[in-house]
Amino acid sequence: AQRVTQPEKLLSVFKGAPVELKCNYSYSGSPELFWYVQYSRQRLQLLLRHISRESIKGFTADLNKGETSFHLKKPFAQEEDSAMYYCALSRSQGNLIFGKGTKLSVKP
Amino acid sequence: SAVISQKPSRDICQRGTSLTIQCQVDSQVTMMFWYRQQPGQSLTLIATANQGSEATYESGFVIDKFPISRPNLTFSTLTVSNMSPEDSSIYLCSGGQYNEKLFFGSGTQLSVL
Repeated sequence: AQRVTQPEKLLSVFKGAPVELKCNYSYSGSPELFWYVQYSRQRLQLLLRHISRESIKGFTADLNKGETSFHLKKPFAQEEDSAMYYCALSRSQGNLIFGKGTKLSVKP
Repeated sequence: SAVISQKPSRDICQRGTSLTIQCQVDSQVTMMFWYRQQPGQSLTLIATANQGSEATYESGFVIDKFPISRPNLTFSTLTVSNMSPEDSSIYLCSGGQYNEKLFFGSGTQLSVL
């Protein structure tokens, strides 16, 4: 079955602390994974995708096929990182299935 | 990139009525999808809107309840038919090129009384 699991509903850290948002997936084919972010009162937008291997706003994510994981990391959290983060898996049809999301709260 | 406009942004409807949500993209996109996000839940894919043919529905969603149109590469509509309070949700349109990133509309918040 195709599935994306984000085990944490809420993650609260202090400014400057490292952040790791967990994502595990289940997919029989070759996975293409994304992280989307939704800031307060804004629409959902792409943060990064594993194919591009880029760092956006200090966030990185590495696809680990052995552990079927795609955890999102940032070494030093900022208050403006507070948002809802969704891990998503692209299916062969081009559509995305999403995890339940993790709300990141960065405290001053 | 693509900018997706969705309307209405919100509506309050009576049980048994229908609402049509419009999604306009500022450029041609090969893929368009409709999602639902119920309170406190993640995004659930309703269907893929195929240009010039019938939409492809995910398990648990049917055409009679959620008819979809896609007359061209920049526009799609989703109708929520014969609404009940359980249909109260945010409905999201998304679009993009195949194997490229998807862009999302700002959503339609539907409340059914």
